[in-house]
Amino acid sequence: KAGVTQTPRYLIKTRGQQVTLSCSPISGHRSVSWYQQTPGQGLQFLFEYFSETQRNKGNFPGRFSGRQFSNSRSEMNVSTLELGDSALYLCASSLKTGLNTGELFFGEGSRLTVL
Amino acid sequence: DQQVKQNSPSLSVQEGRISILNCDYTNSMFDYFLWYKKYPAEGPTFLISISSIKDKNEDGRFTVFLNKSAKHLSLHIVPSQPGDSAVYFCAALGNEKLTFGTGTRLTIIP
Repeated sequence: KAGVTQTPRYLIKTRGQQVTLSCSPISGHRSVSWYQQTPGQGLQFLFEYFSETQRNKGNFPGRFSGRQFSNSRSEMNVSTLELGDSALYLCASSLKTGLNTGELFFGEGSRLTVL
Repeated sequence: DQQVKQNSPSLSVQEGRISILNCDYTNSMFDYFLWYKKYPAEGPTFLISISSIKDKNEDGRFTVFLNKSAKHLSLHIVPSQPGDSAVYFCAALGNEKLTFGTGTRLTIIP
């Protein structure tokens, strides 16, 4: 069974640009959530999607947005990039809304560097 | 405001000994707690969890203890093995949000 796939794995952008990251969940999983990992901050919750609907959102500015498609694949977008957006962005999937039990399956992440 | 804290950024333990990783939380509304393990260049993987109605859960070499009155969670690994070297994140679930700690890097010394 294929795991959670995130693309691209690495990317470099400059300030002011925008970026789109993609996540394909495990087949059959309907919940996708996104996290930002930075040194010293742990994993910070961005948002969760379930059946194409955003169920919950973390404390990030509106520059961070996402969506989920009918096949459960998800994308997140960051507009007007800032240096502080440099981080590892992790996507996680679960069969049901994963925030019932917290047991999530994570992808390897997309490492974004903003110059 | 860090609601889930792992105050030790790193820990080194001799192979075969017990590793104890600690986690403190501030929100009494958390009702489920988890530990995740992360190797470099990989995503975190779920390790073990505990409901707030329990005080201990055991799975092989891994045991999680919960002290609700102290708002403290710990993960015990015994005996520690070289493959246990990784970053460990504790996480707490409440209000349909999963809040992670900042992680503890565990190094097992052969």
